[in-house]
Amino acid sequence: QVQLVQSGAEVKKPGASVKVSCKASGYTFTSYGISWVRQAPGQGLEWMGWISAYNGNTNYAQKLQGRVTMTTDTSTSTAYMELRSLRSDDTAVYYCAREGASSDAFDIWGQGTMVTVSS
Amino acid sequence: QSVLTQPPSVSGAPGQRVTISCTGSSSNIGAGYDVHWYQQLPGTAPKLLIYGNSNRPSGVPDRFSGSKSGTSASLAISGLQAEDEADYYCQSYDSSLSGYVFGTGTKVTVL
Repeated sequence: QVQLVQSGAEVKKPGASVKVSCKASGYTFTSYGISWVRQAPGQGLEWMGWISAYNGNTNYAQKLQGRVTMTTDTSTSTAYMELRSLRSDDTAVYYCAREGASSDAFDIWGQGTMVTVSS
Repeated sequence: QSVLTQPPSVSGAPGQRVTISCTGSSSNIGAGYDVHWYQQLPGTAPKLLIYGNSNRPSGVPDRFSGSKSGTSASLAISGLQAEDEADYYCQSYDSSLSGYVFGTGTKVTVL
């Protein structure tokens, strides 16, 4: 079945970096884009950025420009999101989501990865 | 920052109809960009409920319907059921931000 499986929970200190992975299966990886969305505890959804699995083109949220990098490895059908210079307000559940074929809706979501930033 | 505004909460008795509004502006919904809706059950990842303003993915009950007009969109849930108790988010594209935006989220409570 079509699914996105993310890496496990992370605990980081302020100023560190984190890299979350998202492994796709059940579909042609390079035919779709992947967005990353985060959700702070008790808060709403925040779009972080998008990457084309076809050619690696990216579009990052203005708020995160300079701190986030999204990449893909087509040989393993895996997308990555790296966030640097972590702060306490980066504590959140991070989701990867596939952009649908016929629209830009996010039709498949990963299970989420909890990233905790604490000294 | 959320540029799409939703009511924080709505509630209804089982069997009733509730609606959730999503108010945007001329740089997102009003510019003609599609609106999508997601349902998030407690402790789980969001699930696509409505795409392209009014289309239901396979498997989504027809109790859920979406519409869009001007700078706003709406999600309606008819025949409310206990299992519909969840958070709901709208989503669109914003040309001023050059990226996707989510609504502030609405918690639906079944009385």
